[in-house]
Amino acid sequence: AQSVTQLGSHVSVSEGALVLLRCNYSSSVPPYLFWYVQYPNQGLQLLLKYTSAATLVKGINGFEAEFKKSETSFHLTKPSAHMSDAAEYFCAVSANYGGSQGNLIFGKGTKLSVKP
Amino acid sequence: ETGVTQSPTHLIKTRGQQVTLRCSSQSGHNTVSWYQQALGQGPQFIFQYYREEENGRGNFPPRFSGLQFPNYSSELNVNALELDDSALYLCASSLGGGGMAKNIQYFGAGTRLSVL
Repeated sequence: AQSVTQLGSHVSVSEGALVLLRCNYSSSVPPYLFWYVQYPNQGLQLLLKYTSAATLVKGINGFEAEFKKSETSFHLTKPSAHMSDAAEYFCAVSANYGGSQGNLIFGKGTKLSVKP
Repeated sequence: ETGVTQSPTHLIKTRGQQVTLRCSSQSGHNTVSWYQQALGQGPQFIFQYYREEENGRGNFPPRFSGLQFPNYSSELNVNALELDDSALYLCASSLGGGGMAKNIQYFGAGTRLSVL
């Protein structure tokens, strides 16, 4: 079975500081990994995805993530936080075997707060 | 290109009632997935429809059912509502077929269901 663990339900950074949101996955097959962002009262917006090409993936709004197989991690980073980055972030793995390919298995989310 | 739209945005029902939620998929997408997001949690997969057939189901009871229509729009029906069914219900569409697991899912803004 596949699963995702996001370390830290809340992360607070100052504006301009590094953002690091942690995600570890468990998968018996090569995973496809995604980061989504959810602003209050909205749906999920894709930030970036890893689908077995380059291990360093660049996404929208200056975010990037690095796939590390040895650490089973896919941490999300941004060099300099903006106030507009305050939101909830979800890491997800896509089921890629069995009868339901393509459904997403999400972590519990990390709420990012940005202090002025 | 139109995005994923869901209706209604908010809904209040009482325990034991039935509810129907609707989703219009993004233009050109033939796969629709439904997720339940309880407060403070990540979305959980309910089921997926691909070309009008159920293509996988998560750990939800049979009183959660769905349909996909020839235009690829979809409905989620929940019978005998329980208090724990209160959640944000998200619909996501994608282009299925080969390599489904790595296909990006595009989410709607969701329907917030409150069961009293």
